[in-house]
Amino acid sequence: SQTIHQWPATLVQPVGSPLSLECTVEGTSNPNLYWYRQAAGRGLQLLFYSVGIGQISSEVPQNLSASRPQDRQFILSSKKLLLSDSGFYLCAWSGGRVGTGELFFGEGSRLTVL
Amino acid sequence: GQSLEQPSEVTAVEGAIVQINCTYQTSGFYGLSWYQQHDGGAPTFLSYNGLDGLEETGRFSSFLSRSDSYGYLLLQELQMKDSASYFCAAANPTGANNLFFGTGTRLTVIP
Repeated sequence: SQTIHQWPATLVQPVGSPLSLECTVEGTSNPNLYWYRQAAGRGLQLLFYSVGIGQISSEVPQNLSASRPQDRQFILSSKKLLLSDSGFYLCAWSGGRVGTGELFFGEGSRLTVL
Repeated sequence: GQSLEQPSEVTAVEGAIVQINCTYQTSGFYGLSWYQQHDGGAPTFLSYNGLDGLEETGRFSSFLSRSDSYGYLLLQELQMKDSASYFCAAANPTGANNLFFGTGTRLTVIP
């Protein structure tokens, strides 16, 4: 069966520090991968998606970046965090079948920028 | 742009039926999904409507009307564990199965 993991689960970072969140998927190949962010009490905002190794599409301009160095690995990064980067970051994957409407989410990484 | 509107909060009694509405405005539309999210947890998939009409999955049903740009999630025989946030999400026909999420509805089930 397919599983998705992301880490770290929680982190507290000072403003201006770098960020790296990692996500891996097991049990499937060539998944579509996504990074979402959820501010407290709000909906999910799509940040990046990837349909293959090295292929990254950005949905929202920001100081974050994403990379996909391997088929089942997706990384979210920042060189210098802002206070507004605080939130709940969720990695997700889909089988790539258009029109299924189903994403599988990881456990999430809760980031607090101080 | 993408816009999906839902009521922010709904309260219902255990055992009752509740309907959560979603109206959408999207530049491209493929279908409507519904997700449940408990506090501190990740969203989990509930249902998907690619065609107009009603989809039933156990106690949960979901409806879509493309002509009205409207859908709803119907929860029957409410249980305390159904207290959670519920999100509608529009599937975008980009080939990447991207989902754009609504603002979310906080459901509180009371005894």
